[in-house]
Amino acid sequence: SQQGEEDPQALSIQEGENATMNCSYKTSINNLQWYRQNSGRGLVHLILIRSNEREKHSGRLRVTLDTSKKSSSLLITASRAADTASYFCATARSDSWGKLQFGAGTQVVVTP
Amino acid sequence: DVKVTQSSRYLVKRTGEKVFLECVQDMDHENMFWYRQDPGLGLRLIYFSYDVKMKEKGDIPEGYSVSREKKERFSLILESASTNQTSMYLCATLGQGALSGANVLTFGAGSRLTVL
Repeated sequence: SQQGEEDPQALSIQEGENATMNCSYKTSINNLQWYRQNSGRGLVHLILIRSNEREKHSGRLRVTLDTSKKSSSLLITASRAADTASYFCATARSDSWGKLQFGAGTQVVVTP
Repeated sequence: DVKVTQSSRYLVKRTGEKVFLECVQDMDHENMFWYRQDPGLGLRLIYFSYDVKMKEKGDIPEGYSVSREKKERFSLILESASTNQTSMYLCATLGQGALSGANVLTFGAGSRLTVL
């Protein structure tokens, strides 16, 4: 069963704009992670936020977590054409060590 | 860096054939996973293994089996391939992230299987 659901399903922006995508989940979690997938390739881990954290930064990435609303957002600032990819949130449930559950992803297209 | 290698990037098989998907990691990670990825459904866990010869079912194990004879190698087996198993298959290992210190997944490049 899908734990995380991303919104929107697809996003098209111009280079230099910010891209924001959201993730909602259903159960208690230890942490929430974001991954990126370039077309036809495997996923690459981007950033992790623990359940007791509210915001995390890494380079042009900013992640927020609201455990009361069971939701997270990923912001990519000053986007580049190379950011074109699908982005997935994955949750590490409190009752399910080691098994991450993924959403369906947000497909982001950044045009020059 | 952890490297996860999936032996076949593209495979085309016929209905009823036995299919082996191989995955090899070059770090000493105990936990390995097989996911399948389909459009609109995201990644779904098929099987995982937390040690040699140990395996557990994921969310969609039907029609699949796995083998973990050596720590570095985790194989996914389709005993009798069917057209509804046409998909992208992703292998991953679980290990400590360099920055977070928490467990994160490292994926292989994927194996795209078409069953005719």
